[in-house]
Amino acid sequence: ELKVEQNPLFLSMQEGKNYTIYCNYSTTSDRLYWYRQDPGKSLESLFVLLSNGAVKQEGRLMASLDTKARLSTLHITAAVHDLSATYFCAVDDFADGLTFGKGTHLIIQP
Amino acid sequence: GAVVSQHPSWVICKSGTSVKIECRSLDFQATTMFWYRQFPKQSLMLMATSNEGSKATYEQGVEKDKFLINHASLTLSTLTVTSAHPEDSSFYICSARGTSGRALFYEQYFGPGTRLTVT
Repeated sequence: ELKVEQNPLFLSMQEGKNYTIYCNYSTTSDRLYWYRQDPGKSLESLFVLLSNGAVKQEGRLMASLDTKARLSTLHITAAVHDLSATYFCAVDDFADGLTFGKGTHLIIQP
Repeated sequence: GAVVSQHPSWVICKSGTSVKIECRSLDFQATTMFWYRQFPKQSLMLMATSNEGSKATYEQGVEKDKFLINHASLTLSTLTVTSAHPEDSSFYICSARGTSGRALFYEQYFGPGTRLTVT
């Protein structure tokens, strides 16, 4: 059974600070996804990581993938309030749907 | 990117009645559609996978007779919650995967979700 573990599950941080969310998974899949979810909304795709060593950046967010360690990170640089949301990582073994981590509820305070 | 719509966006129904939720891929052909359920403050859980023209594959613990899935065309999948009960109240989200139009083969495109409340 594929397992995806995210940590931390809850993060409260101040604006301007940096932090990293970790995503460990148990399969050999090299398809790793990061999503953002705002309250009451569906998922917004942030990053798709398809190979070992993949690194993608968009604004203050950067995601990376290490398939050998089965680890992905989502790094937040100089956080701003607008980034407050719940962030999910998910792994795709392609035959089935995505397996999601439990999500990281991020609150960024002024 | 490719667009997936869901209808309705929210529905309230009485216990014992059935509710149908539609999921449409608007600008691509969806070879596979997925249905997820999300309870408050929890993650998304895959309920079933459906391929066009085939019977859906349900995840362990999901009652196939209660959650009827039909994927009759390459752009439409429906989820019918039969004899709904309050414990079925949840946020139902579909996603689709395809290789045509604006879809990239490695992406799952998520619909906006349907909030079901059973009273």
